[in-house]
Amino acid sequence: RKEVEQDPGPFNVPEGATVAFNCTYSNSASQSFFWYRQDCRKEPKLLMSVYSSGNEDGRFTAQLNRASQYISLLIRDSKLSDSATYLCVVEIPTGNQFYFGTGTSLTVIP
Amino acid sequence: DAGVTQSPTHLIKTRGQHVTLRCSPISGHKSVSWYQQVLGQGPQFIFQYYEKEERGRGNFPDRFSARQFPNYSSELNVNALLLGDSALYLCASSRDSYEQYFGPGTRLTVT
Repeated sequence: RKEVEQDPGPFNVPEGATVAFNCTYSNSASQSFFWYRQDCRKEPKLLMSVYSSGNEDGRFTAQLNRASQYISLLIRDSKLSDSATYLCVVEIPTGNQFYFGTGTSLTVIP
Repeated sequence: DAGVTQSPTHLIKTRGQHVTLRCSPISGHKSVSWYQQVLGQGPQFIFQYYEKEERGRGNFPDRFSARQFPNYSSELNVNALLLGDSALYLCASSRDSYEQYFGPGTRLTVT
């Protein structure tokens, strides 16, 4: 079983739409969670950390559900510039390992 | 402030050769992590170093090794290169080993 699983998509949404991505993790001891975005042939860029109480940054909202072991990312009012691959990251405390999902591809269409 | 820098940008090697990749973290960051990313996949964790000590190791063979220097820069070494080692190698730095900031990567091609 993979440590982190993400729906690869692709998600094709019109401008202004709301889109949500989920990411499930298998290790219940995981403590730290993040969302990154990666543009084609570029390095991943930190989008936001995910806190237990959920957190928001402008149009982006991240949530953590420990009981069901998943994290989510909600993007409201999608912009063309949001087109990218979104990667979830889970930290496994044992061995200080960081696991990335395979990424979810988002294309925002005019 | 300068971001994470990596060198070289691109590299072509032959099977069986050895390669050394270099990374300089953001000023003030004491942790460096290395990842391998193949096309269509998320980055795979190789190593994490904090204050010059290895704090985490991913599921990679012993051909992969790394070290961190007193100035917090780091090297990733790969011996006996295989075709399957062709990938983008990413370095990430962090202040506290949690929120990580990535460099542009080194694209390694093994022929």
